[in-house]
Amino acid sequence: DAGVTQSPTHLIKTRGQQVTLRCSPKSGHDTVSWYQQALGQGPQFIFQYYEEEERQRGNFPDRFSGHQFPNYSSELNVNALLLGDSALYLCASSLAPAGGRETQYFGPGTRLLVL
Amino acid sequence: ILNVEQSPQSLHVQEGDSTNFTCSFPSSNFYALHWYRWETAKSPEALFVMTLNGDEKKKGRISATLNTKEGYSYLYIKGSQPEDSATYLCAFLTGTASKLTFGTGTRLQVTL
Repeated sequence: DAGVTQSPTHLIKTRGQQVTLRCSPKSGHDTVSWYQQALGQGPQFIFQYYEEEERQRGNFPDRFSGHQFPNYSSELNVNALLLGDSALYLCASSLAPAGGRETQYFGPGTRLLVL
Repeated sequence: ILNVEQSPQSLHVQEGDSTNFTCSFPSSNFYALHWYRWETAKSPEALFVMTLNGDEKKKGRISATLNTKEGYSYLYIKGSQPEDSATYLCAFLTGTASKLTFGTGTRLQVTL
C-alpha cells in the first residue's frame, strides 16, 4: 500500500500564474481533504471532496478550486497566484466522512513557492 | 473563529525523560480531537482520535487524555527516545463537520 501520494513535491511559480497539485488517496479511501500550511502555522482546511463533489470548504477564496475523479484521486487548482499562496499543501484521505471521527491519512505535501 | 492552542511551542528533553504537551480548544459543541505526529520530511502520522470526555488512549509509550468540559487534551510521552523527535499537532472538530482546525504544534527534540 503506497499510502497517500502527492505530486509534484516542489514547485516554483510566479505571481499571476496558475498551478495544479495532485493527490492519490490511500487504497480503499474515497474522501480527500486539502490543507494549506503556511510557515509557522498549523495546517488550514481548504476543502473536502467526496463522491466527486466538494462537501465542505474552509475560508479560502474562489481562486482555490478542486476536483475529484472517479478513481478518488483529486486535484487542487490555484489561479492568479499571490506571494501569500507560498506554502506546503497537504492532502489527506479517509473513508466516507464520519462526521470528523474518521482517521485522516496525510501525504508528504507539495511545497509551492510563488515569486 | 475556532482557536486551538498548543503549549509549549517547543520542548527539548533528554533521552529517557517523560514529557507532556497541552492542546486547548473551545469546550462548546465538541465533536472530536485528533493528535498527529509529524517528523521532518515525512507525512503527518495519525496518533489518536478522541471523542468522549475522559477518554484515555495509548499507543506504545505515547498516551493521551481528553477533558471536553474544560477544553483540553494532554499528550504524554514516557521515556522519550530520539525517534520521538517531531512536531505534535492536535486538531479539533466542532459539530459534525469534517473540517479539522489545527493548532500550531509542539516541536519536541529528544537528545542523547
